[in-house]
Amino acid sequence: NAGVTQTPKFQVLKTGQSMTLQCAQDMNHNSMYWYRQDPGMGLRLIYYSASEGTTDKGEVPNGYNVSRLNKREFSLRLESAAPSQTSVYFCATRRGMNTEAFFGQGTRLTVV
Amino acid sequence: QKEVEQNSGPLSVPEGAIASLNCTYSDRGSQSFFWYRQYSGKSPELIMFIYSNGDKEDGRFTAQLNKASQYVSLLIRDSQPSDSATYLCAVQSGGGADGLTFGKGTHLIIQP
Repeated sequence: NAGVTQTPKFQVLKTGQSMTLQCAQDMNHNSMYWYRQDPGMGLRLIYYSASEGTTDKGEVPNGYNVSRLNKREFSLRLESAAPSQTSVYFCATRRGMNTEAFFGQGTRLTVV
Repeated sequence: QKEVEQNSGPLSVPEGAIASLNCTYSDRGSQSFFWYRQYSGKSPELIMFIYSNGDKEDGRFTAQLNKASQYVSLLIRDSQPSDSATYLCAVQSGGGADGLTFGKGTHLIIQP
């Protein structure tokens, strides 16, 4: 039982390159989230999917797109990476409202 | 804008003493409150959640909630060096679909 799995764990990109961060959960949760974590800034919500087939912007969506591929998978895409997107990205899932969030291991992304 | 405020620290506490971590939130309609622990380079993991005013105890940890004052705290009794970590306060606001809003975290250091 893996919980929430993110790939890759580490990535270095050049400015302007694109990439997709993958997230898969085997917890049968409805809601999935992408956060970024920067020193001194805490966890900030990028995009979320309250249920399969829906996605919505969070606090810092600019420069990102998402796809809720099915109930298990929620991907985050950077179309043209910028140094400001250097961060640690966490995928999280929740069963529903008023429940805890479970986090993946994180992806450490560096854009040079 | 929903805000969750924490003192960033570092908070230094002697081994065996009580560590007290505090958090305030701006949305009066917030419904549920979570404390996460995050070790350096790792993902956040849930310690406790609390929904109702008052205290909730789990082993060495006690969460306290005062909705009138919009204040939630975490007490760690008999602090151990392994408790040294960053503690994140997270709040679900009334709507809930957009997940949890996190504070920036308090860095706790337990001195042997």
